[in-house]
Amino acid sequence: DAGVTQSPTHLIKTRGQQVTLRCSPKSGHDTVSWYQQALGQGPQFIFQYYEEEERQRGNFPDRFSGHQFPNYSSELNVNALLLGDSALYLCASITRRGNHEQYFGPGTRLTVT
Amino acid sequence: GENVEQHPSTLSVQEGDSAVIKCTYSDSASNYFPWYKQELGKGPQLIIDIRSNVGEKKDQRIAVTLNKTAKHFSLHITETQPEDSAVYFCAASPFSGGYNKLIFGAGTRLAVHP
Repeated sequence: DAGVTQSPTHLIKTRGQQVTLRCSPKSGHDTVSWYQQALGQGPQFIFQYYEEEERQRGNFPDRFSGHQFPNYSSELNVNALLLGDSALYLCASITRRGNHEQYFGPGTRLTVT
Repeated sequence: GENVEQHPSTLSVQEGDSAVIKCTYSDSASNYFPWYKQELGKGPQLIIDIRSNVGEKKDQRIAVTLNKTAKHFSLHITETQPEDSAVYFCAASPFSGGYNKLIFGAGTRLAVHP
C-alpha cells in the first residue's frame, strides 16, 4: 500500500520565479491538503482539494494556487516567489469515507534565493 | 481566531522517564485532535488521535487526554526511549461538512537521553 509521495524532494528557485510541486495521495484517499512549514514552526494550512475543486483555504495570498486531477493527485503552484516562501511544503491525504486521519508525505524543501 | 498553543517548546528527559506535552485550542468547534511526530528531514507521522466524544485514549506507551470544557489536550509518553527523540506537534481540527483542516501548535522538541 503506497503512502503519500511528493516530488521533487528539494528545489532551489530565484525570487520572482514560479514553482510547481506535486503530490500523490495514499491509496484509497480522495482528498489532498497542502501545508507550509517554515523552519522551527508547525505546519500551516494552505488549501484542500476534493473532487478537483478547492474546498477550503487558509490565510495565503492568491500567488498560491492548486489543482487536483481525476486520479486524486494534486499540484501546488506558487507564483512570483518571495524569500519568505522558503519552507517545507507538505501534502496530506485523507479519505472522506472514513475517519479524519490525515497522512503526510515527506515534503518538498523549497529554497528561494 | 483559530489558534493552538503548545508547551513546552523543548523537553529533555532521561530514558525511562515520562514526558508530557500540553496544548490549548481556541476554536470550540474543534472535534478532532491528532498528534504527530516529526523526525529530521521527514514529514509528520500520525502517532495517536482523539475525538471530542472521548476523554482519554491509550496506545502502548502513548496516551492522550482531552478536556473539552477547558479546551486542553495532552500527550503522555511513558518509559521514554532514545528513539522517541523528535519534534511533536499537536493539532486541532474544526471538522465541518467534511472539510477538516488542521491547526497545528508550534511543536515540542523532545530529547531522550540514555
